Amino acid sequence: AQSVTQLDSHVSVSEGTPVLLRCNYSSSYSPSLFWYVQHPNKGLQLLLKYTSAATLVKGINGFEAEFKKSETSFHLTKPSAHMSDAAEYFCVVSRNSGNTPLVFGKGTRLSVIA
Amino acid sequence: SAVISQKPSRDICQRGTSLTIQCQVDSQVTMMFWYRQQPGQSLTLIATANQGSEATYESGFVIDKFPISRPNLTFSTLTVSNMSPEDSSIYLCSARQDSLRNEKLFFGSGTQLSVL
Repeated sequence: AQSVTQLDSHVSVSEGTPVLLRCNYSSSYSPSLFWYVQHPNKGLQLLLKYTSAATLVKGINGFEAEFKKSETSFHLTKPSAHMSDAAEYFCVVSRNSGNTPLVFGKGTRLSVIA
Repeated sequence: SAVISQKPSRDICQRGTSLTIQCQVDSQVTMMFWYRQQPGQSLTLIATANQGSEATYESGFVIDKFPISRPNLTFSTLTVSNMSPEDSSIYLCSARQDSLRNEKLFFGSGTQLSVL
């Protein structure tokens, strides 16, 4: 069965410093992997997705993630955190060989300190 | 891209009652899903809403408790039946839209349900 493990429930960074949110996956297929962001009282927004093309995926708002098959990881990074990045981030894997339905990780809450 | 309208956005309900949540997409989609997000938790898939037939439920979710309808390609409802405080959660509708080159997923803004 497909699953994702987000290694940190809470990450706190200073504004302007790099962001690293860690995710490991388990999949019997060649997986489709996603990162979603959820701001308080707002809907889910897709940051980026990997679907077996380039292993380094660039998303919105300066985020990117690298698919590493040997490490079964799909960590999310950003070179410089902004206050507006404070939110809940979900690493997600598709359950089937297609892109749906989705299996969500438990989430990582990112805090950005001024 | 598709826009999902979900209503109500929030409700407070009494124990033992039922609430129906509606999900309307502004264009045809191939698949629709219902998720639950309990307080402080991640999203859990409840079921896949199938057009014109019974929904496909995930382990731990049953039709009697969460009846789902999808009468056409753009609309679905989820009913939370005989509610208890444990059903207090955010319920999210999701839709998949396929095109020749791409497949996109969209989420509604959610229904925040509180059961007293």
